[in-house]
Amino acid sequence: GQQVMQIPQYQHVQEGEDFTTYCNSSTTLSNIQWYKQRPGGHPVFLIQLVKSGEVKKQKRLTFQFGEAKKNSSLHITATQTTDVGTYFCASWDAGGTSYGKLTFGQGTILTVHP
Amino acid sequence: NAGVTQTPKFRVLKTGQSMTLLCAQDMNHEYMYWYRQDPGMGLRLIHYSVGEGTTAKGEVPDGYNVSRLKKQNFLLGLESAAPSQTSVYFCASSYSRAQRSNTGELFFGEGSRLTVL
Repeated sequence: GQQVMQIPQYQHVQEGEDFTTYCNSSTTLSNIQWYKQRPGGHPVFLIQLVKSGEVKKQKRLTFQFGEAKKNSSLHITATQTTDVGTYFCASWDAGGTSYGKLTFGQGTILTVHP
Repeated sequence: NAGVTQTPKFRVLKTGQSMTLLCAQDMNHEYMYWYRQDPGMGLRLIHYSVGEGTTAKGEVPDGYNVSRLKKQNFLLGLESAAPSQTSVYFCASSYSRAQRSNTGELFFGEGSRLTVL
């Protein structure tokens, strides 16, 4: 099955600073998803990318999928205290015996200091 | 429309006891999942199901069993609980690749916090 490694594990920023988390794989990914989990909450879907080199934006969040489809990034511009939480990347297995399997990265815990 | 509902939300067990976590979804999703979340370990897949009557092992299946007798329900069982199974358990569901819209989104329940003493 696919494995995705996510870095950094922790990130502390001052409010207004930018934040980036990265997701890497040794194999080509069929797609990449991003989720946000607020403290004490459950993961909530943000976006899915499927095309090589794809870039999508949601307000202050920018998501990228690498040209080789082996890495992805989530960038937040000018962080706010509401951005606090854990950000996960995830990827669907392409098929075969792991059809329907969604594997998550370890997550990046973001702390924003006011 | 309740989405994904997990019961119970909290449970304390003694080592060796058994229990079942219930997940119910009302979105007609084909796929259902059980993950566990531990500090620093992210979300690890325990078992999953791609349809009624079918189940498959995830990354950490040992010590757990599952059943998907009805499309809307996915049960996670612990036959003999161990302290290492202390965790927060999340159920999730999604449309199948044939069913779904192009988002592939997983919908998560609120989580079940299990402590094994």
